[in-house]
Amino acid sequence: DARVTQTPRHKVTEMGQEVTMRCQPILGHNTVFWYRQTMMQGLELLAYFRNRAPLDDSGMPKDRFSAEMPDATLATLKIQPSEPRDSAVYFCASGLGQGASEQYFGPGTRLTVT
Amino acid sequence: QKEVEQNSGPLSVPEGAIASLNCTYSDRGSQSFFWYRQYSGKSPELIMSIYSNGDKEDGRFTAQLNKASQYVSLLIRDSQPSDSATYLCAPIGVFTGGGNKLTFGTGTQLKVEL
Repeated sequence: DARVTQTPRHKVTEMGQEVTMRCQPILGHNTVFWYRQTMMQGLELLAYFRNRAPLDDSGMPKDRFSAEMPDATLATLKIQPSEPRDSAVYFCASGLGQGASEQYFGPGTRLTVT
Repeated sequence: QKEVEQNSGPLSVPEGAIASLNCTYSDRGSQSFFWYRQYSGKSPELIMSIYSNGDKEDGRFTAQLNKASQYVSLLIRDSQPSDSATYLCAPIGVFTGGGNKLTFGTGTQLKVEL
């Protein structure tokens, strides 16, 4: 049963701490997306990788957020330092080819920054 | 103006009725459109795609597209309580650097009542 996995599922941390979220895309998928979802803003695209190369991260606050794909089976999203306004659910999604159409979402990481 | 507009709801319909979910978008260049369903506390899942003007039917679901009016809708016939979820409209747009992306609306919450 192929699916996107994300860890951790929940994270509570204090302001100023570093947070790292991990995503394992579906085996064989070559595109990976990171989204942030809040009640107010909905789903916002943070970063987009194709064949491990970053194609777009314009939606990501560059001063504190970073996204990488060290290999084809792992994508990471890091926040340093974290702030209360970063509290949200972070989703990873993967797809094939151009990848943007059929995206398969992971279960998400619910982040709370106090 | 938001890129994708949806009525947040909740839209309440009785069981067995037709639920009509609407979406307008601002990018005239969008060619492909997707509907995702998101149950509370879960991740979005793709339920319908539509690429051409007109209607596309899949089981109890019908997607309708009118590119001239920049309008896309989703009809759910014989609504069931299990259809209660938030429905996200997502046209495909283009990154300034190439590649394409989904821009999600904030979603319409549907409640199907017994």
